[in-house]
Amino acid sequence: EAQVTQNPRYLITVTGKKLTVTCSQNMNHEYMSWYRQDPGLGLRQIYYSMNVEVTDKGDVPEGYKVSRKEKRNFPLILESPSPNQTSLYFCASSLRGTDRGEQFFGPGTRLTVL
Amino acid sequence: AQSVTQLDSQVPVFEEAPVELRCNYSSSVSVYLFWYVQYPNQGLQLLLKYLSGSTLVKGINGFEAEFNKSQTSFHLRKPSVHISDTAEYFCAVSVGVAGNNRKLIWGLGTSLAVNP
Repeated sequence: EAQVTQNPRYLITVTGKKLTVTCSQNMNHEYMSWYRQDPGLGLRQIYYSMNVEVTDKGDVPEGYKVSRKEKRNFPLILESPSPNQTSLYFCASSLRGTDRGEQFFGPGTRLTVL
Repeated sequence: AQSVTQLDSQVPVFEEAPVELRCNYSSSVSVYLFWYVQYPNQGLQLLLKYLSGSTLVKGINGFEAEFNKSQTSFHLRKPSVHISDTAEYFCAVSVGVAGNNRKLIWGLGTSLAVNP
């Protein structure tokens, strides 16, 4: 089944404790992206990757890191999480870019930073 | 700056009634338009998209949307809603020059609540 998987689905952590949220897709998509969703603010893009070893900042990249060493994986790293990073995070992928194609979303990761 | 405005943050409606979720965008250049749906506790999935051609686009689950270039709108409609249509609906617009570096701009979402 074609899908985007994220782990963990739920995470409660404390300020400053490094964490990684994994994202994997099995559709051989070139483009992958991370979003955060907050009430009243909609979806905001954190980082995106056009292909392996090619990443770029989205609209809200501060406090986050990403890497794209393999085509299928695009982990999101929070080196020193803070409470303002409490949010619902989505990973998405598409065949090539976001211009014409459908983006496929993972189920989301709900992060709480205390 | 480019923007997407979903004119209603919440739309309550009774089952089997028609519904329209409104979306306007600000762009004078070539755009591609999308509607996504997010069911409770799930990720987003594509409902429909407009790339070119007929301005009336049909999507999944009986939804359709009409692209109106002069009014820069892409309103989503369904003639008769079901309880299962209760969800958050997002309008998104892809803007920019040709190529894979177009930017996708999201509306803030419209929460559709279908009541029995």
